[in-house]
Amino acid sequence: EVQLVDSGGDLVQPGGSLRLSCAASGFAFSSFAMSWVRQAPGKGLEWVSAISGGGTSTYHADSVQGRLTVSRDNSKNTLYLQMSSLRVDDTAVYYCAKGGWNTPYEYWGQGTLVTVSS
Amino acid sequence: EIVLTQSPATLSLSPGERATLSCRASQSVSSYLAWYQQKPGQAPRLLIYDASKRATGIPARFSGSGSGTDFTLTISSLEPEDFAVYYCHQRSNWPRTFGQGTKLDIK
Repeated sequence: EVQLVDSGGDLVQPGGSLRLSCAASGFAFSSFAMSWVRQAPGKGLEWVSAISGGGTSTYHADSVQGRLTVSRDNSKNTLYLQMSSLRVDDTAVYYCAKGGWNTPYEYWGQGTLVTVSS
Repeated sequence: EIVLTQSPATLSLSPGERATLSCRASQSVSSYLAWYQQKPGQAPRLLIYDASKRATGIPARFSGSGSGTDFTLTISSLEPEDFAVYYCHQRSNWPRTFGQGTKLDIK
């Protein structure tokens, strides 16, 4: 059974940093691209970033470029989102999702809440 | 960036009725269009991918059609559990984008 478990969300001050994790199980992690999608409170879905299975290629939304960085550790079956220079408008539930490169988002984590506030 | 425009924003129908949701892309996305369902407090769920292919375990009352710039999600006969928000999503170009969503609520 495929499982994605998101963690790391917290309350952080503007300008602060945070690292989100997504622990994957039930599939050949290194064979699949992974993505992050976020949802601000009461708003729609926003694509954030994607990384290839091997980790050599990444894409990020313009709104997060240079501040949020996706990475992965295939030896640990874990996806990461390193967040820095956080802004109030980064407040959202962050979901990791399997796929997003040549496939749709077939499976999703449960989400982790990041709140940026002073 | 490809903009996806969903209509209507809200659709009020009764159980047993047919629902038709639209998604229009600002430029062609070929058939790389998916539909997701989201209920309050839950992660989105994949319904339809590549415009018309049902994801694993999705009931046959859900169907998708279209290609290029115009796409439709049809729910043939609404069940109580179908009332939710629906998003379209394109994976044709970077950056990936979502529509703003259509809320399907009970009339």
